[in-house]
Amino acid sequence: EAGVAQSPRYKIIEKRQSVAFWCNPISGHATLYWYQQILGQGPKLLIQFQNNGVVDDSQLPKDRFSAERLKGVDSTLKIQPAKLEDSAVYLCASRPLASGRAGEQFFGPGTRLTVL
Amino acid sequence: AQKVTQAQTEISVVEKEDVTLDCVYETRDTTYYLFWYKQPPSGELVFLIRRNSFDEQNEISGRYSWNFQKSTSSFNFTITASQVVDSAVYFCALSLIQGAQKLVFGQGTRLTINP
Repeated sequence: EAGVAQSPRYKIIEKRQSVAFWCNPISGHATLYWYQQILGQGPKLLIQFQNNGVVDDSQLPKDRFSAERLKGVDSTLKIQPAKLEDSAVYLCASRPLASGRAGEQFFGPGTRLTVL
Repeated sequence: AQKVTQAQTEISVVEKEDVTLDCVYETRDTTYYLFWYKQPPSGELVFLIRRNSFDEQNEISGRYSWNFQKSTSSFNFTITASQVVDSAVYFCALSLIQGAQKLVFGQGTRLTINP
């Protein structure tokens, strides 16, 4: 089965610019996560979707970050305007609602964002 | 709230040595999953193992073994006869069985295996 796809893989922007990341989860996976991984740290959840509804966005900086999952499949994460501290790898993960591999999330390769 | 601590930031050993990565967790919930993920230089997180809070049996998979002790809230990972290909950043993580099942990660341990 195809894995989680993300694009772009790398992005360099200047502060105050906007940027968007795209994620295509594994087919049939109802739950989708966006994580932010700052260099030297573990990933931190930004937002979780189940189908096209938001389950948890408590750690999403909503003044500048937004995310959507139209039609419950692909998802986009946007930052507007970007700050220097947004430099990180943005990981997308997906999980089926029910499976024998309970709790396991499948991760994409990530998008490395550098804000100058 | 849940918390995962990996006190070892970096470990460097010579190939064929055994190495143990420590993980300590905090949660008030009684039902949870614990995970180990590997992150090679390519950046993708690779699932290694999942344990649930009901099962404290240790597990061995080839050169990898995991020791889960609820009494000390620890879930340690041992690589026996390490190889250069084991070099990566390793993350311990926790998620609750009920609810959103979001993963809470530790800070990671960078493991370098020298030839």
